[in-house]
Amino acid sequence: KNEVEQSPQNLTAQEGEFITINCSYSVGISALHWLQQHPGGGIVSLFMLSSGKKKHGRLIATINIQEKHSSLHITASHPRDSAVYICAVGSGTYKYIFGTGTRLKVLA
Amino acid sequence: DAGVIQSPRHEVTEMGQEVTLRCKPISGHDYLFWYRQTMMRGLELLIYFNNNVPIDDSGMPEDRFSAKMPNASFSTLKIQPSEPRDSAVYFCASSRQINQPQHFGDGTRLSIL
Repeated sequence: KNEVEQSPQNLTAQEGEFITINCSYSVGISALHWLQQHPGGGIVSLFMLSSGKKKHGRLIATINIQEKHSSLHITASHPRDSAVYICAVGSGTYKYIFGTGTRLKVLA
Repeated sequence: DAGVIQSPRHEVTEMGQEVTLRCKPISGHDYLFWYRQTMMRGLELLIYFNNNVPIDDSGMPEDRFSAKMPNASFSTLKIQPSEPRDSAVYFCASSRQINQPQHFGDGTRLSIL
């Protein structure tokens, strides 16, 4: 069993839909990181959080430390949101363990 | 502000050759990270530096890989000798502090023939 698991692996949505991507982990963490990788390959950091919830535009990230679970939500999805979303958990030594990513495609 | 700058963007070379990847972090960022991304293994942390000092190199696959950070504005990742299984995209990232968001470079796509 992987230490960081994401679901779903692939997701296709229609423009405007509310999207949820999940990340579950089995290790103790100091922080959890959501990354976005566009088809061209560039990686952008979306959120880093260790508790509660963060919001940036149409993106919302939540984490439940007790349940070892985080979710990334996209409201009013748009084709430009199409990308691979990667969850990464950092331990106290800051050695990040990455999920395998969720490939999102938003259709117009 | 300039982001993290990596060079080259693409590198194709023959097995056995030495490969050097370069990274310029964002000014003022004390942490620098080298990652490798492959289809099979996804993103993996290879090594990271704090104030130019290597802190954790346990992700470096073998002795053929080495990384240096001679000053706060420059780091290299070297593979010698290179092998086809080293083909991957190598990313450099930097952050101001240990638990602050990382800023990624555009990556170097390396192909070893």
